[in-house]
Amino acid sequence: AQSVTQPDIHITVSEGASLELRCNYSYGATPYLFWYVQSPGQGLQLLLKYFSGDTLVQGIKGFEAEFKRSQSSFNLRKPSVHWSDAAEYFCAVGGPYNNNDMRFGAGTRLTVKP
Amino acid sequence: DAGVTQSPTHLIKTRGQQVTLRCSPKSGHDTVSWYQQALGQGPQFIFQYYEEEERQRGNFPDRFSGHQFPNYSSELNVNALLLGDSALYLCASSLATGYQETQYFGPGTRLLVL
Repeated sequence: AQSVTQPDIHITVSEGASLELRCNYSYGATPYLFWYVQSPGQGLQLLLKYFSGDTLVQGIKGFEAEFKRSQSSFNLRKPSVHWSDAAEYFCAVGGPYNNNDMRFGAGTRLTVKP
Repeated sequence: DAGVTQSPTHLIKTRGQQVTLRCSPKSGHDTVSWYQQALGQGPQFIFQYYEEEERQRGNFPDRFSGHQFPNYSSELNVNALLLGDSALYLCASSLATGYQETQYFGPGTRLLVL
């Protein structure tokens, strides 16, 4: 069965510093991978997705993620964090056909220090 | 272009009661999925509706039921509420193409069961 592990429950970075959030997945076939962000009291906003093709995916708000099949990872990165990036980040994995088997990780909470 | 909307935003119920949550999908979308997000956890898939039928269901008891209307809007019903049903309930919509498509999430309904 598919699953997602986000090893870091909470990460704190200084504003302007680089960021990497880790995501490891388990999926029996070609995974479809997503990163979502959730601000306090809000729903989920899609940052980026990987379906196929180039393994380095660009998203909104300056985020990017790299799919590494050999490591079963899909880590999220940003070169310079802004205070407004403080939020909860969720990695999710699904299959190639429809949305019915999407699984989310437990999330990583990002705190940004001034 | 309106995104996914959910009502109500907050709800307080007591154990044993029943609750109905509502969702209107993003314009042009025909598929609605429901997720439960407990505090400190990632969203968990409850079920998905397409063409007014439940297409797929996660590991949730029959107390959780739903409906989709001809205009693609959807309801989530929970009977015999338990304290453990307290959570943020998220609705997501997408367009059924047969393949994995991006889901767009609403802001959620926060349910508190006392």
